[in-house]
Amino acid sequence: SQQGEEDPQALSIQEGENATMNCSYKTSINNLQWYRQNSGRGLVHLILIRSNEREKHSGRLRVTLDTSKKSSSLLITASRAADTASYFCATDATSGTYKYIFGTGTRLKVLA
Amino acid sequence: DSGVTQTPKHLITATGQRVTLRCSPRSGDLSVYWYQQSLDQGLQFLIQYYNGEERAKGNILERFSAQQFPDLHSELNLSSLELGDSALYFCASSVSIGYNEQFFGPGTRLTVL
Repeated sequence: SQQGEEDPQALSIQEGENATMNCSYKTSINNLQWYRQNSGRGLVHLILIRSNEREKHSGRLRVTLDTSKKSSSLLITASRAADTASYFCATDATSGTYKYIFGTGTRLKVLA
Repeated sequence: DSGVTQTPKHLITATGQRVTLRCSPRSGDLSVYWYQQSLDQGLQFLIQYYNGEERAKGNILERFSAQQFPDLHSELNLSSLELGDSALYFCASSVSIGYNEQFFGPGTRLTVL
């Protein structure tokens, strides 16, 4: 079963609006990463947040992590049409295997 | 451009056949990961190699195998192909074996007819 589950599965917003997507996971983690995938292309790393961090910013991206609730959120502010993509969270397993488990993604569509 | 290259870009083959997918990691990266992405299964971790050695295994079928060569490029071999193996196969690389950013290649789209 998936370690990370994104919510919502799909999101459609107008350009300029903020987009928020959430990720929930099941077991303890060392860190959580967010990736973006444009249709049919490779994933691009956006941000990594460690288990002892609560919030991280990168440009228009803001990621929060709540380890007590086993959840994370990705906020994209002032969205642009170019932000249209699928967004995935990836969580590691703390068993020391160094493998990441990706969620099923949120498909974001930003309308111009 | 992530610096990770994958060949071929597209592959069309028949059931029962065997194919080899190739991946060259970013210069300096020692870890290589393989993922399968199909419409109904999302992105599934298959296997990880670090400096030539297998370090982690995911949901990789016995019909699939991989290796990482001394020059650090990796190959994923898929045999006795079935219709359900049709998917995008991604390779990713990272600097080390720890928990860090992965750089993804453009993928190989495999179609099994």
